[in-house]
Amino acid sequence: DAKTTQPPSMDCAEGRAANLPCNHSTISGNEYVYWYRQIHSQGPQYIIHGLKNNETNEMASLIITEDRKSSTLILPHATLRDTAVYYCIVKNTGNQFYFGTGTSLTVIP
Amino acid sequence: DAGVIQSPRHEVTEMGQEVTLRCKLISGHNSLFWYRQTMMRGLELLIYFNNNVPIDDSGMPEDRFSAKMPNASFSTLKIQPSEPRDSAVYFCASSPDNDREKLFFGSGTQLSVL
Repeated sequence: DAKTTQPPSMDCAEGRAANLPCNHSTISGNEYVYWYRQIHSQGPQYIIHGLKNNETNEMASLIITEDRKSSTLILPHATLRDTAVYYCIVKNTGNQFYFGTGTSLTVIP
Repeated sequence: DAGVIQSPRHEVTEMGQEVTLRCKLISGHNSLFWYRQTMMRGLELLIYFNNNVPIDDSGMPEDRFSAKMPNASFSTLKIQPSEPRDSAVYFCASSPDNDREKLFFGSGTQLSVL
């Protein structure tokens, strides 16, 4: 049940902003957008989530379009340690997380 | 807090043997999730507990798999008998009741069934 579409891979220069897109055109009104990432050989790590307003925390910013059909995760100053697979997940609160294939981000020195 | 702790880190066994994977939750967390990750299928949710009670086990592949929470801080995932197609990385994750949207994952158990 693929509720989100992400590019399979992206590159970003170290120190630049990494902008990771996610399409979720069938999102319903009470579904949130979540982002997790998985660094090689580790378990996934929570990054950020939002409903319709843009969100920012110490890790990243989440920009959700007004129609909520797509969003962008922004890592403002990518470092080599940000190389990971990034998962965009859409779900209702209380439902379970189903991870897709994500975007493999490579930060290049 | 040490985070979610899984053991063993690596397990190599022969087909037909019983395998037990262990998970210690973060203190105070009430929900426990077991996931399996393979190249072919990605991350799959196997089972979810809340307050020691299994809530959703629809992802458990078949009767060879069983999971328990004998107490609030510990869980096991057992495979008996194991098969080569069970080879995968098994993750457990926990979350607190007051912030269920943040899952905290362990480092995983790399299982190889020969």
